[in-house]
Amino acid sequence: SQKIEQNSEALNIQEGKTATLTCNYTNYSPAYLQWYRQDPGRGPVFLLLIRENEKEKRKERLKVTFDTTLKQSLFHITASQPADSATYLCAPVSSASKIIFGSGTRLSIRP
Amino acid sequence: GAGVSQSPRYKVAKRGQDVALRCDPISGHVSLFWYQQALGQGPEFLTYFQNEAQLDKSGLPSDRFFAERPEGSVSTLKIQRTQQEDSAVYLCASSLAGTVNRQPQHFGDGTRLSIL
Repeated sequence: SQKIEQNSEALNIQEGKTATLTCNYTNYSPAYLQWYRQDPGRGPVFLLLIRENEKEKRKERLKVTFDTTLKQSLFHITASQPADSATYLCAPVSSASKIIFGSGTRLSIRP
Repeated sequence: GAGVSQSPRYKVAKRGQDVALRCDPISGHVSLFWYQQALGQGPEFLTYFQNEAQLDKSGLPSDRFFAERPEGSVSTLKIQRTQQEDSAVYLCASSLAGTVNRQPQHFGDGTRLSIL
């Protein structure tokens, strides 16, 4: 069955450093991969989408890579800030009608 | 507001009662999704509508779960004879187009359901 793995442990990063989150998937070949941010008590918020033929996508301080050979996506936040503290969800998409989410990585940025 | 609205935000019910959760998607959005999210987990797909048609209900955990979107806008998720394992946050999301792989989903803040 399709499986998605994200960093199971929370990630604690010093403010100003780059945070790198990992998403690995198995048993399917997504054509797209989405990343979402979720704050406590709130719904997920869309951040970025990357296509299988794109190696890298950037948006302000965010960068996403998509390696279809390794079946992995990396999500980077540069110059991290305490306001970046949240849970980040990876969602590789292969179906036109269904998105499967990873369990998320909790990121904490300490001042 | 312009976002996805869910009500109620919190619902407490006794085991065996029926509950109904409401979702108001963004106006004009074709696709509507329901997810169930357990504590510390990502959202798990329940069902998907394209306008009023329920195209995928493969994620509904049992026949106690029923969803509808009769006029292609507001949707209701109904759970009959609730069980304690139904306790979770129920999220609704909508997207503009009929296919989701290239479209961002816009989520509501969910209904937190607690079954006593």
